[in-house]
Amino acid sequence: AQRVTQPEKLLSVFKGAPVELKCNYSYSGSPELFWYVQYSRQRLQLLLRHISRESIKGFTADLNKGETSFHLKKPFAQEEDSAMYYCALLEYGNKLVFGAGTILRVKS
Amino acid sequence: GAGVSQSPSNKVTEKGKDVELRCDPISGHTALYWYRQSLGQGLEFLIYFQGNSAPDKSGLPSDRFSAERTGGSVSTLTIQRTQQEDSAVYLCASSLDWGDTQYFGPGTRLTVL
Repeated sequence: AQRVTQPEKLLSVFKGAPVELKCNYSYSGSPELFWYVQYSRQRLQLLLRHISRESIKGFTADLNKGETSFHLKKPFAQEEDSAMYYCALLEYGNKLVFGAGTILRVKS
Repeated sequence: GAGVSQSPSNKVTEKGKDVELRCDPISGHTALYWYRQSLGQGLEFLIYFQGNSAPDKSGLPSDRFSAERTGGSVSTLTIQRTQQEDSAVYLCASSLDWGDTQYFGPGTRLTVL
């Protein structure tokens, strides 16, 4: 079965520190991966999609097929980055398989 | 333009009652999805519509759950004879077409007493 693993339930960093949210996947095919973010009391929203290779709000994520990883990175965390982050895999083009999520807490 | 909307935002019901949850996708989006977000299970896929057809119902947890979509737009998720384990946030998403980015609604929080 396809699977997405986010090993950290909570990641706490200081403002200005680098951030790396880990995501590993298993998929028998060419994966299509996403990071979604949910800020407090807001809806789930797309942060970035690996095929677009964009940098959104300073975040980047590189697909590493050898390590089956899609870690989310930001060089300098900001307090407004505090949120729940979900890594997700698109299965058969029609459904998202989500990881358990990681709460990012940026302390001042 | 308007995003995905869902109603009601909150629903409290008694065990054994039926509930209907509604989703209005983004105008023009042909694909619509239902997910469930619960403490124990995280975010789980329930069902996918392409137009009015549901080619993938693999995530529906039991035959008490059903969904329909009419006019290629609004969708209704129905849970019959609700149980306490049905308590969760039910999320709807839509995408322009199969495989495109999914945009989520605010969810309906269902509490079964």
